[in-house]
Amino acid sequence: DTEVTQTPKHLVMGMTNKKSLKCEQHMGHRAMYWYKQKAKKPPELMFVYSYEKLSINESVPSRFSPECPNSSLLNLHLHALQPEDSALYLCASSQVGLAGGDTGELFFGEGSRLTVL
Amino acid sequence: SQELEQSPQSLIVQEGKNLTINCTSSKTLYGLYWYKQKYGEGLIFLMMLQKGGEEKSHEKITAKLDEKKQQSSLHITASQPSHAGIYLCGAFYNFNKFYFGSGTKLNVKP
Repeated sequence: DTEVTQTPKHLVMGMTNKKSLKCEQHMGHRAMYWYKQKAKKPPELMFVYSYEKLSINESVPSRFSPECPNSSLLNLHLHALQPEDSALYLCASSQVGLAGGDTGELFFGEGSRLTVL
Repeated sequence: SQELEQSPQSLIVQEGKNLTINCTSSKTLYGLYWYKQKYGEGLIFLMMLQKGGEEKSHEKITAKLDEKKQQSSLHITASQPSHAGIYLCGAFYNFNKFYFGSGTKLNVKP
């Protein structure tokens, strides 16, 4: 199984709502990533989990709260978002790298398209 | 990211023509990855290059990593409409920080 599954595929929420994006993989990967992609832009790294611990936070606003409850699951909790947070949110997984950082390819899900009204 | 620059930003080619996309890093690369993305969808892994001078091919797509490991090129031979999409190079710069280049949008006219 080389799939990364993201749910929901589409999400519409108001600025006062609380919602969550979910990501699941069963490849035994111990690194998982969240990316944000705006239209016509490349994906931007948000968070990286390594062995279920948050290892990288790219200065993401606290209205985005990641969680990695186990080695197969990654959540992104959303609260009090702004309309400019509307984007495609991509989850990815990979093996954990060595000191050089190279881990082999990242496997991506199809993304969750978020619209904030 | 600021570490990876891609050129050109966009390409429109006639079906059957060859094309090249370039990716330049501001730092030495441990590995360079090429992905393709259909509009608004997930990313498809194409290939990874790790050694300076390495060249890999898959169907009509060939990628090279230069000897100094700071530049890569992706070459498509005899382009087809199915090659259309956004091509992204990517690389690790620190432990598990994987960044993408700015992307190249390719349109292939039948």
